[in-house]
Amino acid sequence: GEDVEQSLFLSVREGDSSVINCTYTDSSSTYLYWYKQEPGAGLQLLTYIFSNMDMKQDQRLTVLLNKKDKHLSLRIADTQTGDSAIYFCAEIPNYGGSQGNLIFGKGTKLSVKP
Amino acid sequence: DAGVIQSPRHEVTEMGQEVTLRCKPISGHDYLFWYRQTMMRGLELLIYFNNNVPIDDSGMPEDRFSAKMPNASFSTLKIQPSEPRDSAVYFCASSIVGGRYGYTFGSGTRLTVV
Repeated sequence: GEDVEQSLFLSVREGDSSVINCTYTDSSSTYLYWYKQEPGAGLQLLTYIFSNMDMKQDQRLTVLLNKKDKHLSLRIADTQTGDSAIYFCAEIPNYGGSQGNLIFGKGTKLSVKP
Repeated sequence: DAGVIQSPRHEVTEMGQEVTLRCKPISGHDYLFWYRQTMMRGLELLIYFNNNVPIDDSGMPEDRFSAKMPNASFSTLKIQPSEPRDSAVYFCASSIVGGRYGYTFGSGTRLTVV
């Protein structure tokens, strides 16, 4: 079935790199996403990666995709206290020109210590 | 564009009362989604619409929940009668192109049923 797994918590020191990991089960997923949720707010799309890519970089964010292992990671360089939030991995299974549903992991709560 | 707008931001109601949550999607987006977020179950898709037509309502918990989209700029999620276990944050999201570029979420409605 469709399931997205993430570890629930990650704690890092300010200035260090954070790596948030995710595994998904639907090998036909074409797009994979990372969302950020700050306290009391909705989900904000951070970045997405197409399944024919291995890596995508956007400023301090690097997304790595290992399609063979169905593993997705988000690396945040030079992590700041403002990066403290919950990060959700999501996939759209069976996207084939028709609408699929975004399936979310349970989220990883990132805590950044000064 | 002001983004996806949800109202109210907070709702406290007594068990048995009817609750109506509202959503205005981004203009031009042809998909609209209702999600529910709880600590125990994470993010759950309740229902989604394409061009105002409900496509998949399999996530709606039970008959007490109903959703409508009378036009492209407005949707409602109604719970009647409400129960304490319905307490959660309800998010509306909208998208275009089958969600390829991700969904845009509203800030959510925090519902508390006492």
